[in-house]
Amino acid sequence: GGIITQTPKFLIGQEGQKLTLKCQQNFNHDTMYWYRQDSGKGLRLIYYSITENDLQKGDLSEGYDASREKKSSFSLTVTSAQKNEMAVFLCASSMDSTNERLFFGHGTKLSVL
Amino acid sequence: AQKVTQTQTSISVVEKTTVTMDCVYETRDSSYFLFWYKQTASGEIVFLIRQDSYKKENATVGHYSLNFQKPKSSIGLIITATQIEDSAVYFCAMRNNYAQGLTFGLGTRVSVFP
Repeated sequence: GGIITQTPKFLIGQEGQKLTLKCQQNFNHDTMYWYRQDSGKGLRLIYYSITENDLQKGDLSEGYDASREKKSSFSLTVTSAQKNEMAVFLCASSMDSTNERLFFGHGTKLSVL
Repeated sequence: AQKVTQTQTSISVVEKTTVTMDCVYETRDSSYFLFWYKQTASGEIVFLIRQDSYKKENATVGHYSLNFQKPKSSIGLIITATQIEDSAVYFCAMRNNYAQGLTFGLGTRVSVFP
């Protein structure tokens, strides 16, 4: 078994601020993902990484940067937080890019004042 | 582009009965993979079941089963003998052979009452 740990659990930011969300997994999985979940809009893929130092853009990558410096960690940066933005950011991992059984973290809830 | 549509926003059922959720998808690819995930009230998301497009038999895992109708681009989830703890939001998702990551539907909230 393993676990995905996302930090922080709650993040409050100011408009225009750069905010970083972190994700660690101990499954030894190759592929990691960042999804955004808005109320009533399901999950949308922001970035994914199929291996250390790899980055691939998802459908929602504009306004975000990502970093995969180690196999076990994948961070996401909101480059400029939007006023009144509120969403949950979910990190996930899978054994490899063809195995889409995803394991999810519990999420980081972002609120922008 | 892929698209996944779940038209039912919420369903209420009585415990120990069967609930069926709909999902239709759009893809131009002949080979693709379909999934159902469950999100509990705590926010935890867990994988439930998977159907590969080339398989004719409907997948079954425990009290979860799928109704795969390929000509209709439909992959329904059936939960039999529902329990209170089956109350959750259920997401349908898909991936084709070339895309990475999953495309999710908007989810169906299931409430199971005693």
